[in-house]
Amino acid sequence: AQSVTQLDSQVPVFEEAPVELRCNYSSSVSVYLFWYVQYPNQGLQLLLKYLSGSTLVKGINGFEAEFNKSQTSFHLRKPSVHISDTAEYFCAVSGFDYKLSFGAGTTVTVRA
Amino acid sequence: GAVVSQHPSRVICKSGTSVKIECRSLDFQATTMFWYRQFPKQSLMLMATSNEGSKATYEQGVEKDKFLINHASLTLSTLTVTSAHPEDSSFYICSARASGGERTQQFFGPGTRLTVL
Repeated sequence: AQSVTQLDSQVPVFEEAPVELRCNYSSSVSVYLFWYVQYPNQGLQLLLKYLSGSTLVKGINGFEAEFNKSQTSFHLRKPSVHISDTAEYFCAVSGFDYKLSFGAGTTVTVRA
Repeated sequence: GAVVSQHPSRVICKSGTSVKIECRSLDFQATTMFWYRQFPKQSLMLMATSNEGSKATYEQGVEKDKFLINHASLTLSTLTVTSAHPEDSSFYICSARASGGERTQQFFGPGTRLTVL
């Protein structure tokens, strides 16, 4: 079984500042890792995913994440946020059964 | 992109009644759909996996007689909360995996807020 811990429940950030959302996972097997974003009144949307290969993954909207196997982490970063990045962000992990286990989510609030 | 809808978006019902939630893939066929439940400030918890034309597979601790899942077509899955009680109040989210699509890819609906009085 897999589990995910998102270390920050809320992250306030100023517009054009960088942001990092932390995610750690635990698993006894190889995993796939994901970051999803949820805007108000919308479904979860995939930002990026790590399946294999390069540990630095680039996603949509300027986000990127780095898979660190030794630290069992998959932190999400963006060098410069916009007001429109205000949303809920979920880290998720799955094993070869493709069932997703989610973290509790991080609320990002971008202020002008 | 692939779109998944849920209906209704929110529902309020009296204790003891049953509520049906629909999940539809609008522009693709989905052999597999997933149902999640989310409590406030908590993560999404997988309740069950349904494959078109077969019985749903429930996660440990989820009562299959309480949460009836039907996946009768490649574009529709329904979740019925039977004899709902206040503790069933929650946010229910479905997702769908496209037929022949990448197995890691799930498309999510916007969720249904259930309040049981």
